[in-house]
Amino acid sequence: YVLTQPPSVSVAPGKTATITCGGHNIGSKTVHWLQQRPGQAPVLVIHYNTDRPSGIPERVSASNSGNTATLTINRVEAGDEADYYCQVWDSSSDQGVFGGGTKLTVL
Amino acid sequence: EVQLVESGGGLVQPGGSLRLSCAASGFTFSSYAMSWVRQAPGKGLDWVSSITGRGHSTYYADSVKGRFTISRDNVKNTLYLQMDSLTTGDTATYFCAKIAEGYYDFWRPFDYWGQGALVTVSS
Repeated sequence: YVLTQPPSVSVAPGKTATITCGGHNIGSKTVHWLQQRPGQAPVLVIHYNTDRPSGIPERVSASNSGNTATLTINRVEAGDEADYYCQVWDSSSDQGVFGGGTKLTVL
Repeated sequence: EVQLVESGGGLVQPGGSLRLSCAASGFTFSSYAMSWVRQAPGKGLDWVSSITGRGHSTYYADSVKGRFTISRDNVKNTLYLQMDSLTTGDTATYFCAKIAEGYYDFWRPFDYWGQGALVTVSS
């Protein structure tokens, strides 16, 4: 199972960043999103398709439908600059799958 | 506080072996499935292997199947990854990660990660 993300997304501070994660019928799977800053371990920012773990601001949201899952960050700040990964468990192969990652650059 | 601390990384020659450990604390280790995820230098996250809470079932990426073995010691609260027949393509930082809930609910998220152990395969 393959998850496809754009390699990079650039956005000005205060604007909205949208990161997509494409996969065949991904809407039928449970998608999680992770943020990874350079030199650090990944951090969960969205779980169970749309839910924010405690401590994640409300300006971070997500959706999942059809063949695309989407992570949206409103009012982008410099501190949001990081790599973002979508992740699912593929039950047909019993394997974990990560998207290739998207580098978010705040201009 | 949940803590995951990897150890055992280092430099190994192609064809060699290495065993990684991940010491867990702050939660009931045996109640949670665990996984290994790796990241090659400058590359993305790559799922390697997962194991159920009691260690009865294991799962592997195609790239490591037959060469790597995941295991756990629920008395020592430690997760392991035995890596054999290593190639330069296995060079990466290896993270252990805890599944958020359940003995075998791999569809749930990774809620805690260690800081990683660097494995370098080179002659």
